[in-house]
Amino acid sequence: DGGITQSPKYLFRKEGQNVTLSCEQNLNHDAMYWYRQDPGQGLRLIYYSQIVNDFQKGDIAEGYSVSREKKESFPLTVTSAQKNPTAFYLCASSIGTTEREKLFFGSGTQLSVL
Amino acid sequence: AQSVAQPEDQVNVAEGNPLTVKCTYSVSGNPYLFWYVQYPNRGLQFLLKYITGDNLVKGSYGFEAEFNKSQTSFHLKKPSALVSDSALYFCAVRDATDSWGKFQFGAGTQVVVTP
Repeated sequence: DGGITQSPKYLFRKEGQNVTLSCEQNLNHDAMYWYRQDPGQGLRLIYYSQIVNDFQKGDIAEGYSVSREKKESFPLTVTSAQKNPTAFYLCASSIGTTEREKLFFGSGTQLSVL
Repeated sequence: AQSVAQPEDQVNVAEGNPLTVKCTYSVSGNPYLFWYVQYPNRGLQFLLKYITGDNLVKGSYGFEAEFNKSQTSFHLKKPSALVSDSALYFCAVRDATDSWGKFQFGAGTQVVVTP
């Protein structure tokens, strides 16, 4: 089946620790995104990538980092600088970056702080 | 700057009754509007979108939405709700004038359909 796979489903972070969330897609989409979801706040854009080896900061990039070495992969690292990391993280992709393109989402990773 | 408002945190409806989830938006240029649905602990699923053309858009699972430019609204509707429609619904907008149109999502509306 084509789609977006996020792993792990649940992740726990200790104080001062960096953690990496995986996102893989086999849809051959050029654009990939990371969103953070907090209850009652909707989705907020962390980073996005339009093409391999290129990515841009979204609205809440502080404390996060990404890489895009392969078209199908867009991992997100939550660094120790992110003081409030507990949230549901969603990875998404789209065929391109025109305004008409809809997003395809993964099933999400719930990150909690120990 | 673009923004989306979903004025209701929760909508309660009895099974078989009509369902409406409200959405209003603000963009500088022409809007491209989307509805997504999220089931617990899952990602978002696309329901429908308005890009241009007919103001009434039909989507998945019997949902439809009406684009109203004068009221800057894009309300989601279903004539007869099912218990399985209980989920979190998000409205999103992209601005056609943006060189790279980022999605702006609303805060979401929880729909509860009771038997």
